[in-house]
Amino acid sequence: DTEVTQTPKHLVMGMTNKKSLKCEQHMGHRAMYWYKQKAKKPPELMFVYSYEKLSINESVPSRFSPECPNSSLLNLHLHALQPEDSALYLCASSQDGGRRDTEAFFGQGTRLTVV
Amino acid sequence: SQQGEEDPQALSIQEGENATMNCSYKTSINNLQWYRQNSGRGLVHLILIRSNEREKHSGRLRVTLDTSKKSSSLLITASRAADTASYFCATDAKDQKLVFGQGTRLTINP
Repeated sequence: DTEVTQTPKHLVMGMTNKKSLKCEQHMGHRAMYWYKQKAKKPPELMFVYSYEKLSINESVPSRFSPECPNSSLLNLHLHALQPEDSALYLCASSQDGGRRDTEAFFGQGTRLTVV
Repeated sequence: SQQGEEDPQALSIQEGENATMNCSYKTSINNLQWYRQNSGRGLVHLILIRSNEREKHSGRLRVTLDTSKKSSSLLITASRAADTASYFCATDAKDQKLVFGQGTRLTINP
């Protein structure tokens, strides 16, 4: 199984809602990532988890809250988002965040629209 | 912040022709990777070249790396309609960050 699975595929939420994005991988990867991608732009790194611990937060607003319940799961909790947060949210994993020269496997993303 | 700059931003060629995309970066790297993205969905890893390598091949793909110029190129030979996608370089430095370039939108015309 070389897949990273993200749910839901599409999400529409109001600015007062609370929702969560989910990501799952069963490749035994110990590094997991959240990226945000706006249309016609490259993915922008948000968070990195290494061995289930948050190792990088790219100064992301607190309305985005990541969580790594175990080595296979990564969540992104959303609260009080703004319309400009509408984007494609991509989850990725790689074998070991501390070992170099490993490719990242990406999920198909969650298309988020904030209304 | 994004490290890589890619050029061209968009490239349109006829099927069967070769496509070349370039990527420049700013800081020291462990490796440089190329990814493909179809229609704004997930990214697919194409090839990884280490900082001590100069050239690498994979099928119809050829990647070069010039660390003195901090630049890389991706060549796709004998292009096919299915190669139509956005292509991103990504640099992997010592800080666990995989940082993407701006991307090249490639269109292969039948």
